[in-house]
Amino acid sequence: AQSVTQPDIHITVSEGASLELRCNYSYGATPYLFWYVQSPGQGLQLLLKYFSGDTLVQGIKGFEAEFKRSQSSFNLRKPSVHWSDAAEYFCAVGAQQAGTALIFGKGTTLSVSS
Amino acid sequence: KAGVTQTPRYLIKTRGQQVTLSCSPISGHRSVSWYQQTPGQGLQFLFEYFSETQRNKGNFPGRFSGRQFSNSRSEMNVSTLELGDSALYLCASSLGLAGGNEQFFGPGTRLTVL
Repeated sequence: AQSVTQPDIHITVSEGASLELRCNYSYGATPYLFWYVQSPGQGLQLLLKYFSGDTLVQGIKGFEAEFKRSQSSFNLRKPSVHWSDAAEYFCAVGAQQAGTALIFGKGTTLSVSS
Repeated sequence: KAGVTQTPRYLIKTRGQQVTLSCSPISGHRSVSWYQQTPGQGLQFLFEYFSETQRNKGNFPGRFSGRQFSNSRSEMNVSTLELGDSALYLCASSLGLAGGNEQFFGPGTRLTVL
């Protein structure tokens, strides 16, 4: 079955510290991978996506993610977290095939401490 | 370019009633997807419409239905509301099919069923 797992429900990071949010997927086809962020009361905003090519992708707001096929992972990283990064982060997987839905993980809530 | 708009933003209904939610996609986008977001279940895919045709449907009862108009605007209808239908309903649009394209999300409609 196709699924996305975000093992960490809640993470607290000090401002200025580095961040890594984990994402593992189970998908039969070649996956398209996405990271979205949701601030309270807002819709989702795309941070970055991976379709093919270089497995290290750069996104907005200083985020990057690395696709590791052997580990079925697509972890999100940021070298230095800002207080404004506090939000909920969702990993999602899809494919460019008719009838393929985007499957989301349950999300990781990031809190930033001063 | 205007983003995805959803109306209304907030809605309060009672059990047994029906409700219609509206979504206007970004100009030029032909795909509209709907998601239900709850604290317990996370983001769950409802359905996707592309060029007025339902292309994919999630695992929801028949009380949940939708349609897309020739201008790509979409509506979602829930009949015979239940308490468990209380959720944030998110609409997303994309140029192509949702699974392989960046989706742009609206702010959502917060539905409360009493």
